Amino acid sequence: GAGVSQSPRYKVTKRGQDVALRCDPISGHVSLYWYRQALGQGPEFLTYFNYEAQQDKSGLPNDRFSAERPEGSISTLTIQRTEQRDSAMYRCASSYTSGLYNEQFFGPGTRLTVL
Amino acid sequence: AQKITQTQPGMFVQEKEAVTLDCTYDTSDPSYGLFWYKQPSSGEMIFLIYQGSYDQQNATEGRYSLNFQKARKSANLVISASQLGDSAMYFCAMREDPTIYNQGGKLIFGQGTELSVKP
Repeated sequence: GAGVSQSPRYKVTKRGQDVALRCDPISGHVSLYWYRQALGQGPEFLTYFNYEAQQDKSGLPNDRFSAERPEGSISTLTIQRTEQRDSAMYRCASSYTSGLYNEQFFGPGTRLTVL
Repeated sequence: AQKITQTQPGMFVQEKEAVTLDCTYDTSDPSYGLFWYKQPSSGEMIFLIYQGSYDQQNATEGRYSLNFQKARKSANLVISASQLGDSAMYFCAMREDPTIYNQGGKLIFGQGTELSVKP
């Protein structure tokens, strides 16, 4: 299993509940990114880590969204008090470093549906 | 602000023919990278090709080539000899040089072009 993995693959929740989405990057990859992709659109940047440090969280829509990567490997994106507008595909990507050329390898995504 | 524009929501091409997917970008920064990703109906994101802003030659990867026109700020993807398996959504993306701008190299994506290959 050399690729980026995400869990769960599908999550259905009721409005107001908290959800936690997990990303397991490729082993040895320093940089980890979270994106959100609405149906029929391109992914939008949420936040980014180098090792365990959250370097950029400018894309997080509001303070209900948070992310962590405590040991510099697995990351969790948490959405508190979910709303229907949070429904989307949440994608994680990792790269060896954050250098310009470094390809970002994407995980399969978590499809979140908020009822 | 960075921006990527893909003006073709959908395109059709006959099998074995070549097709060009358009992408224009907007940035005031001298150092950046341009990427193309393929997203089939299964939902995965597959990296296809990369072009650096200082690269002198157009990038090529097998049947994929990137027609990079820096002055026009365009980075069109050319797929030669289309195959049925090329039917997918294609995304153009850009990132600024993180070593210069310390922004971590986030990707900015366009809206995508859905390509359908006809037998």
